[in-house]
Amino acid sequence: DSGVTQTPKHLITATGQRVTLRCSPRSGDLSVYWYQQSLDQGLQFLIQYYNGEERAKGNILERFSAQQFPDLHSELNLSSLELGDSALYFCASSGGAIQETQYFGPGTRLLVL
Amino acid sequence: KNEVEQSPQNLTAQEGEFITINCSYSVGISALHWLQQHPGGGIVSLFMLSSGKKKHGRLIATINIQEKHSSLHITASHPRDSAVYICAVLSGNTPLVFGKGTRLSVIA
Repeated sequence: DSGVTQTPKHLITATGQRVTLRCSPRSGDLSVYWYQQSLDQGLQFLIQYYNGEERAKGNILERFSAQQFPDLHSELNLSSLELGDSALYFCASSGGAIQETQYFGPGTRLLVL
Repeated sequence: KNEVEQSPQNLTAQEGEFITINCSYSVGISALHWLQQHPGGGIVSLFMLSSGKKKHGRLIATINIQEKHSSLHITASHPRDSAVYICAVLSGNTPLVFGKGTRLSVIA
């Protein structure tokens, strides 16, 4: 158990809908990272937050947004969902510096029908 | 653009065999991670290294910065080692760039 929790574990929804994925980092970790893993693209970095502020942005679509709250949990919002958004979404956390071991949550499996 | 290439893509081994998974990257990096993804999907960080060699149990990771190459070795492989092994690199302060993974199956 990494200490990182993600909810929900599974999500099935329809095209055009909006969903929110939630992540709670390990106790004491200030950084939260979001990753998408699809069958054809592998793991891709989406976005990083550090202590409530956006720190780095990767291949995140404009339809996706994220935030980190004062209690350090983070949410990833996916809107106007398309079939191609079906993927595993992982959250990871670390103490703060990017050059640290990241601890991954169990992931949320999103299926868009 | 930093490309991360892993080889082989798939690997089947008999229990007890020594296994090597390779990772090559194209630009200078500040650190390299090896991750293990279990069949159920969960990801565990195995190693983070920026030089030399690290060992944990039956796992050994090495990196050659000049050659831009890293290897993950598993000694005395066991069926529970069956997983996807993913290499990821950090270049400066840019976020992790991942390889496509090596799927390992160890047969008893």
